[in-house]
Amino acid sequence: NAGVMQNPRHLVRRRGQEARLRCSPMKGHSHVYWYRQLPEEGLKFMVYLQKENIIDESGMPKERFSAEFPKEGPSILRIQQVVRGDSAAYFCASSPDIQETQYFGPGTRLLVL
Amino acid sequence: AQTVTQSQPEMSVQEAETVTLSCTYDTSESDYYLFWYKQPPSRQMILVIRQEAYKQQNATENRFSVNFQKAAKSFSLKISDSQLGDAAMYFCAWGNGNKLVFGAGTILRVKS
Repeated sequence: NAGVMQNPRHLVRRRGQEARLRCSPMKGHSHVYWYRQLPEEGLKFMVYLQKENIIDESGMPKERFSAEFPKEGPSILRIQQVVRGDSAAYFCASSPDIQETQYFGPGTRLLVL
Repeated sequence: AQTVTQSQPEMSVQEAETVTLSCTYDTSESDYYLFWYKQPPSRQMILVIRQEAYKQQNATENRFSVNFQKAAKSFSLKISDSQLGDAAMYFCAWGNGNKLVFGAGTILRVKS
């Protein structure tokens, strides 16, 4: 059973460009979570999605950030008009049901030049 | 709001010895879960152990065990017979199903 997959593993963008981060949950998992880790810090919750629905986006900035988890395909975290402060590691996690353990992907390291 | 505090930025342990990492949390919710995750230099987040708040018995996974004190809102991790491969950043986390709230982490160094 493959684990949580994230791609790309590393992404470099110039200020003002768009970043698209993809996450494929573990087989049988319909709950996806996105977290951001700034250098030397712990992970911060951004958004929680189930298939086609955003359940909790309380940790996601109101502007430039959006997330989706379509019926078919991976979950996407999209950052428009990136700024240097967006440079971080973005982790996706999945679980089979609410209150089940979240299993993490390897992360995407975003660097904004 | 929920908070998780790890008061030890860094800890060291001799190989084969035992070390305890501290964690306290604050929440007003009655139904929640607690976790310890390990992040080695690869930065992959690896689950170490999970504790349900409604369970009085402390969780154990091989060399890893927790001391869960619900009234004190304390959740420490004990690593027995420490190995070089245990060297990593350790994060304590609180969860309610919607999200995990992480502490700032403790760097564990293992000396040979």
